[in-house]
Amino acid sequence: DAGVTQSPTHLIKTRGQQVTLRCSPKSGHDTVSWYQQALGQGPQFIFQYYEEEERQRGNFPDRFSGHQFPNYSSELNVNALLLGDSALYLCASSLSQGYYGYTFGSGTRLTVV
Amino acid sequence: DAKTTQPPSMDCAEGRAANLPCNHSTISGNEYVYWYRQIHSQGPQYIIHGLKNNETNEMASLIITEDRKSSTLILPHATLRDTAVYYCIVRVEAAGNKLTFGGGTRVLVKP
Repeated sequence: DAGVTQSPTHLIKTRGQQVTLRCSPKSGHDTVSWYQQALGQGPQFIFQYYEEEERQRGNFPDRFSGHQFPNYSSELNVNALLLGDSALYLCASSLSQGYYGYTFGSGTRLTVV
Repeated sequence: DAKTTQPPSMDCAEGRAANLPCNHSTISGNEYVYWYRQIHSQGPQYIIHGLKNNETNEMASLIITEDRKSSTLILPHATLRDTAVYYCIVRVEAAGNKLTFGGGTRVLVKP
């Protein structure tokens, strides 16, 4: 049973560019959340998707957007990249009913130069 | 979500029990205590959670004080592979409720 899969694992982008990160949730999970983790800090909640809609959002600018597909997979898009966007981006999946724990992927390491 | 307070770091000897404290003095009656850990370069991993009773699973034990204002995660026989950052989180157990991470405790298990 595959867990949460994220791609790519590493990425280097230039300031001002746009990036798309991808996430496939754990089998059977229907909710996807995204987190940003700067070096040495705990993960910070970006937003959550359920039924292809953004259900919750953390304190992140509109440059951060997302999408969820009918198969529950998700994308995180970041526009106009800043140096400060360099971080580990984590995807976590969960169930909308029943057990409410989260399963995390290993993340995508984004470096903005 | 209630805020938690954890020591920033602690060392533990391999084979000994590791006791990780967490203060959550403003916890609400319907908030659970969750513990996750993050091994270097990996995503956070669920360890255990509880409401008010002590809990035990194959990874750890969770001891919650009677007033629920603090808890302790116990790794009974720490191994080198338990070296990680451990996060204590409180949240209402409901669909969609996010996890709010603090700084966690960086645990170093030494041989």
